[in-house]
Amino acid sequence: SQQGEEDPQALSIQEGENATMNCSYKTSINNLQWYRQNSGRGLVHLILIRSNEREKHSGRLRVTLDTSKKSSSLLITASRAADTASYFCATHPSNTGNQFYFGTGTSLTVIP
Amino acid sequence: DAGVTQSPTHLIKTRGQHVTLRCSPISGHKSVSWYQQVLGQGPQFIFQYYEKEERGRGNFPDRFSARQFPNYSSELNVNALLLGDSALYLCASSLWTGVEQPQHFGDGTRLSIL
Repeated sequence: SQQGEEDPQALSIQEGENATMNCSYKTSINNLQWYRQNSGRGLVHLILIRSNEREKHSGRLRVTLDTSKKSSSLLITASRAADTASYFCATHPSNTGNQFYFGTGTSLTVIP
Repeated sequence: DAGVTQSPTHLIKTRGQHVTLRCSPISGHKSVSWYQQVLGQGPQFIFQYYEKEERGRGNFPDRFSARQFPNYSSELNVNALLLGDSALYLCASSLWTGVEQPQHFGDGTRLSIL
């Protein structure tokens, strides 16, 4: 399977702390995207990082990509209760046309 | 502006039946993709359509089919339903099929098979 895997599967932190989740994948990619899913809702696109980029920022989000290790990390700084959700990485492998492959997700709980 | 809308929101069927799920993309978006999300897992790609043509198909049996209409809305059809088809079915739209296009998801149809 080309699906990525997130680590940890579940994460619980206090409001104000930073949350870090990791994604590992198996094949070379064009880009990697992170999505958030609130319970019972659809996914919301957060950020995209290209294969030739190493780090990207968007507000309280910081994403890194290490193509040599086939891994990415998502850091959420100064977490809020509203950040409670599941987070998925989605890879676009280099040889699969337009298909995206989602990971298994990290469930983040931010305790007020 | 309206986001991606899916109907129905919930559906209960029995084994062997057929189901049709519907999706309306964001206005101006020409690409629609369908995903299956089993509880506790990430979405699995089923189909992508662009300009009414199939542009990608995931590893799903022929019981799954889809089409896109001239107004870019889409239907996902599943025949001979199995218990394992119980899942959240998500539709996502994007402007076109470029690899950097972020996908905009609807809230899905929750399908339960009894």
